[in-house]
Amino acid sequence: AQSVTQPDIHITVSEGASLELRCNYSYGATPYLFWYVQSPGQGLQLLLKYFSGDTLVQGIKGFEAEFKRSQSSFNLRKPSVHWSDAAEYFCAVALETGANNLFFGTGTRLTVIP
Amino acid sequence: EPEVTQTPSHQVTQMGQEVILRCVPISNHLYFYWYRQILGQKVEFLVSFYNNEISEKSEIFDDQFSVERPDGSNFTLKIRSTKLEDSAMYFCASSVVGGLGAFFGQGTRLTVV
Repeated sequence: AQSVTQPDIHITVSEGASLELRCNYSYGATPYLFWYVQSPGQGLQLLLKYFSGDTLVQGIKGFEAEFKRSQSSFNLRKPSVHWSDAAEYFCAVALETGANNLFFGTGTRLTVIP
Repeated sequence: EPEVTQTPSHQVTQMGQEVILRCVPISNHLYFYWYRQILGQKVEFLVSFYNNEISEKSEIFDDQFSVERPDGSNFTLKIRSTKLEDSAMYFCASSVVGGLGAFFGQGTRLTVV
C-alpha cells in the first residue's frame, strides 16, 4: 500500500534562514507528488507538484522541491524563510489511476522566529 | 482567482442527526473530492466523484456517507446519522483532470456533540 512519511513533526527556523522539509513515499511506481500548505484556519493551498521530467520543480512563494527516485524522497526547500511561511506543510502522493486521489503525510508544522 | 467555496465554515450537530456539507467547486473542473482531517491527524481521502458518479471511495466512506451533485454547481456530502467520531474538518476539492493537483476549499469544521 502507498504511504507518505514526513519524519519531522515540528521545525523551527529563524527568519531568513534556509528550510528543508522532508518527505518520503512508499509506492511501487513513481506517483504524482505534491506539497500543500495550510495556514491556521485556512484550507490547503497547492505549493508545487511533480509528475515527470525535471526532478527539480519550482512552486509558488519561492518554494522548490526535488524528486529523488533512489531515495523515494520529495523534499521541500526554500532558501530564505519569511515569517509568513509559518504554517503546516503536507506532502501528498497521487496514484496514476482513476481520479488520482491524494494520500497525505502527517504534516510538518513550521515555526518561524524573528 | 477561482476558488472552491464551502459552507458552512463551522457546523455543530447532535449525535444521530443528519448533516449536509456544501461545496461549490471551481466551475470548469470535472473531478470533485471530499477529504477529512480529524484534529491532530493527517488529511484523509473520503471519496472522488466524476461524471456524476462516485469514482473511488475509501474505507471511511461507509453507508452513512453519500455525495451528490444536485445541480451544475454544488457538490454535497451528507452524513446520515452523525457519530462523535465524525467530528473533523471536512475539505472539498476539485480538479480539472485527475492528477494535476486538486484545489481545496477552506473546509467545514464539523463538531458532533
